[in-house]
Amino acid sequence: EAQVTQNPRYLITVTGKKLTVTCSQNMNHEYMSWYRQDPGLGLRQIYYSMNVEVTDKGDVPEGYKVSRKEKRNFPLILESPSPNQTSLYFCASSSGPRDSTDTQYFGPGTRLTVL
Amino acid sequence: RKEVEQDPGPFNVPEGATVAFNCTYSNSASQSFFWYRQDCRKEPKLLMSVYSSGNEDGRFTAQLNRASQYISLLIRDSKLSDSATYLCVVNMFGNYGQNFVFGPGTRLSVLP
Repeated sequence: EAQVTQNPRYLITVTGKKLTVTCSQNMNHEYMSWYRQDPGLGLRQIYYSMNVEVTDKGDVPEGYKVSRKEKRNFPLILESPSPNQTSLYFCASSSGPRDSTDTQYFGPGTRLTVL
Repeated sequence: RKEVEQDPGPFNVPEGATVAFNCTYSNSASQSFFWYRQDCRKEPKLLMSVYSSGNEDGRFTAQLNRASQYISLLIRDSKLSDSATYLCVVNMFGNYGQNFVFGPGTRLSVLP
């Protein structure tokens, strides 16, 4: 089954404790991205990647890091989480950055609470 | 001005009603357009792509007006299960490739 998976689905942590949210897709997609969703603000892009070893900042990259060492995986790293990073996070993928008609497929989301 | 704007909502309609959502986008060079549906605290899921000629999928009809930079979604014979937030998504495809921009969403509640 074609899908995007994220882990963990729920996480409660404390300020300053480094964490990683994993994202994996099995569709051989080139393009992957991370979003956060907050009430009243909609989906905002954090980082995106057009292919292996190619990543770039989205609209709200501060406090986050990503890596793309393999095509299928795109982990989101919070080196020193803060309470303002409490949010619902979605990973998404699509077939390729050069396909203007393609759409994105989303993972199930990770609900993060930073105390 | 936001890149993608939608009706603020929420829309509360009775079962069986017809409801229309509107969306406008700022980048005239945008390449592709979509409606997504998002249930509470779940991931967005593609409802339908929007084509220049307009397209229909059962009770759902999407229209695109490139000249006015306007997209619409019409839901006929609303069901309770249609209750969700509807997101307008525009691929503002540029020199660096895909650039998906999401509208803030319009919440729909279908009431019995």
